[in-house]
Amino acid sequence: GAVVSQHPSWVICKSGTSVKIECRSLDFQATTMFWYRQFPKQSLMLMATSNEGSKATYEQGVEKDKFLINHASLTLSTLTVTSAHPEDSSFYICSAGWAGGSNQPQHFGDGTRLSIL
Amino acid sequence: SQKIEQNSEALNIQEGKTATLTCNYTNYSPAYLQWYRQDPGRGPVFLLLIRENEKEKRKERLKVTFDTTLKQSLFHITASQPADSATYLCALSGNTPLVFGKGTRLSVIA
Repeated sequence: GAVVSQHPSWVICKSGTSVKIECRSLDFQATTMFWYRQFPKQSLMLMATSNEGSKATYEQGVEKDKFLINHASLTLSTLTVTSAHPEDSSFYICSAGWAGGSNQPQHFGDGTRLSIL
Repeated sequence: SQKIEQNSEALNIQEGKTATLTCNYTNYSPAYLQWYRQDPGRGPVFLLLIRENEKEKRKERLKVTFDTTLKQSLFHITASQPADSATYLCALSGNTPLVFGKGTRLSVIA
């Protein structure tokens, strides 16, 4: 099946640091990637939809200047949490799918546990 | 606003029994409903997809039903095993990205 690789799997850093998370589709070309955030015992909350070669679409309430998304190729999307603060600590998960392909499953990475001290 | 409820935060059953998980939704008419499994510290893994015009879908020991009148999906695991212990998420989709429920944490006790 399709494989999505997410890196790093966990990050601990000081407040004010910027952190970059990579999401790669290893065996297929993903025109669309999705970034989610998940707090303990909560559902996955969609942050933004990333389309290759165009600007990401952010969900309401998500600061696009704080969570920078780049989808420069069909196999790589990155999420940069700029000037991270303790409240940004969470589990960040990416997934890859097909644009408009709501009838297809999404393939998820294994997530990045971000802890801001 | 759209609302998805998975009826139990946690469900404990004995090995060999059938586990039944419920997903209810309101203010939404999804074209598809998907079920995922999520283990601690891992990303969700796709299990089954069912379309709005399908009543039931099966895959090995898994069965999903979709009742658009009741706005409900049931997810069954027959002959459950301790290895089935995980959190199960339902997700709705149509013309928008997937919307997830909070999940039900299933524990199968040997």
